[in-house]
Amino acid sequence: SQELEQSPQSLIVQEGKNLTINCTSSKTLYGLYWYKQKYGEGLIFLMMLQKGGEEKSHEKITAKLDEKKQQSSLHITASQPSHAGIYLCGAARMDSSYKLIFGSGTRLLVRP
Amino acid sequence: EADIYQTPRYLVIGTGKKITLECSQTMGHDKMYWYQQDPGMELHLIHYSYGVNSTEKGDLSSESTVSRIRTEHFPLTLESARPSHTSQYLCASSDGGGVYTEAFFGQGTRLTVV
Repeated sequence: SQELEQSPQSLIVQEGKNLTINCTSSKTLYGLYWYKQKYGEGLIFLMMLQKGGEEKSHEKITAKLDEKKQQSSLHITASQPSHAGIYLCGAARMDSSYKLIFGSGTRLLVRP
Repeated sequence: EADIYQTPRYLVIGTGKKITLECSQTMGHDKMYWYQQDPGMELHLIHYSYGVNSTEKGDLSSESTVSRIRTEHFPLTLESARPSHTSQYLCASSDGGGVYTEAFFGQGTRLTVV
């Protein structure tokens, strides 16, 4: 069963617009990871959030983890075509294995 | 830059053939993973390793097998490839020291079985 839900599934925005991608878990997370994937390639690590209420930024991308550590958002400001790709949230499963699982992904297209 | 490598990048093979997808990392990571990715994006964990001689099945049932004889090497084998095995396969590794450690991914192997 899917333990991390992502929304929206796909997103098309005009260059320069802001956008937000959400990731929700029914359980408290140990930590939340955001990755980006170019089509047909591996995943590139963006950010990791550990603490409730934590917020991190890198260039024009900001990620937040809510206080309950069950929901995270990824916000892109003034989107550019280079932001296009698939964004995936990941988390360590809350059992002794700590296996890394992922959400269903959000496909982002930025129109010039 | 991540030091984890997958070969081949692309593979087209006939039904019934035996194949091995290679994954190697030079970071000394204990944990290694194999994911199968649908065309629609979702990653499914198919195999997991805590360390040498330790492997487990993942969430998605897979006819593939893995081995972990050396820390740096985690190959995936399909004894008899079928068209249903056509997919993107991604290998990853992470430091086994704690929960809050990022995973590094290889570039993936796109497998097509005809």
